This record gives sequence, C-alpha cells and structure tokens, in this order.
Amino acid sequence: EPEVTQTPSHQVTQMGQEVILRCVPISNHLYFYWYRQILGQKVEFLVSFYNNEISEKSEIFDDQFSVERPDGSNFTLKIRSTKLEDSAMYFCASSLVRRGGEQYFGPGTRLTVT
Amino acid sequence: GESVGLHLPTLSVQEGDNSIINCAYSNSASDYFIWYKQESGKGPQFIIDIRSNMDKRQGQRVTVLLNKTVKHLSLQIAATQPGDSAVYFCAENLGIQGGSEKLVFGKGTKLTVNP
Repeated sequence: EPEVTQTPSHQVTQMGQEVILRCVPISNHLYFYWYRQILGQKVEFLVSFYNNEISEKSEIFDDQFSVERPDGSNFTLKIRSTKLEDSAMYFCASSLVRRGGEQYFGPGTRLTVT
Repeated sequence: GESVGLHLPTLSVQEGDNSIINCAYSNSASDYFIWYKQESGKGPQFIIDIRSNMDKRQGQRVTVLLNKTVKHLSLQIAATQPGDSAVYFCAENLGIQGGSEKLVFGKGTKLTVNP
C-alpha cells in the first residue's frame, strides 16, 4: 500500500539554525500539507500546497516557514531560524482531492530545538 | 469559532467490549469528518470518514455516528482488541464547498484495552 514517508525521523538543532524537513507524498496525489503537534496537544494545520504554490496557511506559518516541491517527488518544510517553541512533531500529508477527502499522513519528524 | 473537542481524554475498556469515543464540534458549516488513530511514534492513520449528508457510516468493526443537531460525532469500535489501544482524534473540514483545505483536529482520546 502506498504511503507518505518523512525524513529524518528525529532532528535536533540549536536555536537560530535552519532546518529542512523532507517528505515524499504518495505518488499520484496532488495536494500536500504540513501539520505539527506539540507534545500533548492537538495536531495543528500549518500549510497546504498545490500546483507549486501555497493554497492555504495558518497563522502559525509565518515568514520563518517556507515550503517547496523541488522535484517531482519531494515536498519540504524549511524553518529559517528555529525557536524553542518550534519543537514538535511535524507531519506531512497528501491527498487526491482538494477538500472533503482523506488526507494520508506520514510518520512524522520529531524536531527538538535546544 | 471553529474548534473540535473531545469529551474524555482517556478511556479504558476490557478486551472484547465495545468502545465509544465521543467528539464535539462547534463549526456548523463543517461538511466532512474523519476519525484518525495514532499509535505511539506514528502518524495519524485513517479509520473512517463521514459527510454531513449522512448520519451513520460503518466500516470493519467501526461505526461513526454524526448528530448535526447537537454537533456531535462518535466512533464505536466493536469487540475492542489490544491492537486498538491508541489515541483517537476526530477532525473536521469545511468540505468541497467550504473553501478550506485544512483539517481541524480535536485533542484526542487515549484508548487503553485491557486483556
């Protein structure tokens, strides 16, 4: 069964450093998402991406964040200058339909900012 | 505002019993709802979904009920097994006409199945 994959599984970085989280969505999906989950809290939407541009973003997704689909398979989330409060699980998801359809989630990347 | 919440943070059941996990949502415009299961160290895994034009949907050992009048969603798991132990999230979306792609998640209910 096709699945969303993410690398690395765990990333430790120092405050102020840049990190790039990588995702390979399901190959025939067209819509891509990033969510995050701070320990013990809800899964929160960050951004959605379609046709090489952001289609929706939350208030969390400020200028420190950016997304990119550098080639036909990868989807990345970059945090330019990490803060302690960026420590969380980051989940990539993809879907076949834009709205009102199942989003398939990857296993997540645990980001720890020290 | 739009928010999804869960009535109980934890639920403990005996193996073989039926489990019911509840969820309240506040956005009456939400059109699509999903239940996800999250095991430790893994991402959310789809269980079942339902659209607002339905009251009930059944899957394998799972049933989702939607009560739009009171904005309530529930997940019923029949003959609960130890492998069902996980955190369960409900999530909502405004659907095809709603103009938003994001899923809004509830906080989660931790289900523990005792052998």
